[in-house]
Amino acid sequence: DTGVSQDPRHKITKRGQNVTFRCDPISEHNRLYWYRQTLGQGPEFLTYFQNEAQLEKSRLLSDRFSAERPKGSFSTLEIQRTEQGDSAMYLCASGGGGRTYEQYFGPGTRLTVT
Amino acid sequence: AQKVTQAQTEISVVEKEDVTLDCVYETRDTTYYLFWYKQPPSGELVFLIRRNSFDEQNEISGRYSWNFQKSTSSFNFTITASQVVDSAVYFCALSDPTDSWGKLQFGAGTQVVVTP
Repeated sequence: DTGVSQDPRHKITKRGQNVTFRCDPISEHNRLYWYRQTLGQGPEFLTYFQNEAQLEKSRLLSDRFSAERPKGSFSTLEIQRTEQGDSAMYLCASGGGGRTYEQYFGPGTRLTVT
Repeated sequence: AQKVTQAQTEISVVEKEDVTLDCVYETRDTTYYLFWYKQPPSGELVFLIRRNSFDEQNEISGRYSWNFQKSTSSFNFTITASQVVDSAVYFCALSDPTDSWGKLQFGAGTQVVVTP
């Protein structure tokens, strides 16, 4: 399978715990995005990587959130001290070079904070 | 600021009926991209089409067709002869490639329910 993969697919955690999600983009893609989607809404942009450089972060990404993309390959999104409001689907997307800006999404990680 | 509006929350049709999904966008940019994505119950967003702001030709792909009208800032999507497998949430999205790194601004989505 050469699509975008995300792990885990589901995560249930207690409030206050830390969680980490992983995204493996399509191998030749240099752009990687994280989005968050809550029930009944469209995905909202969180952050963007061009290779290993994090170039933009949304104001939605509070200090409890951190993302990395070491060596420009896979990416991780960590949420510290989770809150119930963090419950959402976290989506990763990747895109290739050039100017088409198409993004291909992974299956998402559904986070439930109890 | 960019904004995408999908005014239809849910559309229910019987199989073989046509269904049109509306998308209206706002942007001050002259160069931009518009997209449609499908999100079936499994949850994974599936890319359907990209259209750039300089190309107003309508496009047809199988049972899918898209009508881009810059004058009304609309990018509507029609499914012809709908099938049960078309049941999903459909999202329209806007991207400004010049200063926002291609990030997508999504609408709220339209749930399409196709019954046999």
